[in-house]
Amino acid sequence: GAGVSQSPSNKVTEKGKDVELRCDPISGHTALYWYRQSLGQGLEFLIYFQGNSAPDKSGLPSDRFSAERTGGSVSTLTIQRTQQEDSAVYLCASSLSVARRYNEQFFGPGTRLTVL
Amino acid sequence: QKEVEQNSGPLSVPEGAIASLNCTYSDRGSQSFFWYRQYSGKSPELIMFIYSNGDKEDGRFTAQLNKASQYVSLLIRDSQPSDSATYLCAVDQNTNAGKSTFGDGTTLTVKP
Repeated sequence: GAGVSQSPSNKVTEKGKDVELRCDPISGHTALYWYRQSLGQGLEFLIYFQGNSAPDKSGLPSDRFSAERTGGSVSTLTIQRTQQEDSAVYLCASSLSVARRYNEQFFGPGTRLTVL
Repeated sequence: QKEVEQNSGPLSVPEGAIASLNCTYSDRGSQSFFWYRQYSGKSPELIMFIYSNGDKEDGRFTAQLNKASQYVSLLIRDSQPSDSATYLCAVDQNTNAGKSTFGDGTTLTVKP
């Protein structure tokens, strides 16, 4: 079956522009997660969704970052007025449910964002 | 103090040796623990999870959990060059179900 997909795979933008990153989770997975990974660093949690609801937005770095999920499926991470420090790989993951004791997350290939 | 700490490495072992990767966590109420492998330029993939104290074995991999010491480890027996990757420890926080906190990872190199 299809895994988690993300688009675009690469995005180069100019400082100050807005960008949208898309994530398609595995079919049937109700939980969806966004992470950011800078070069040589670990995963930085941004936000997660259970269904269309985001119980925890504490990881979003600033109010320039927002995310939504519609229909319990596709999610979009939007970064407004991008800054150079936003440059990173943005990873999306999905799991069957946050209610599962074993929260096994399956990751997409990521979107590499470069802000010039 | 970071919530999940790992030795950054790099850790280098010869082919055929046992590689031992360690992780400590701060939230005593944590319930689920995961090891992910990440090859350079690729996304993380789950290789083991554990939730009970003791050992859990899967092929050449053994995860060990000690909740009293807030410590989880991953042993890789008969290490192969293909095991060379960064290994990420992830912990599910008891207070915020659904949010996994990741360590910064340990980079393992297996030399032929």
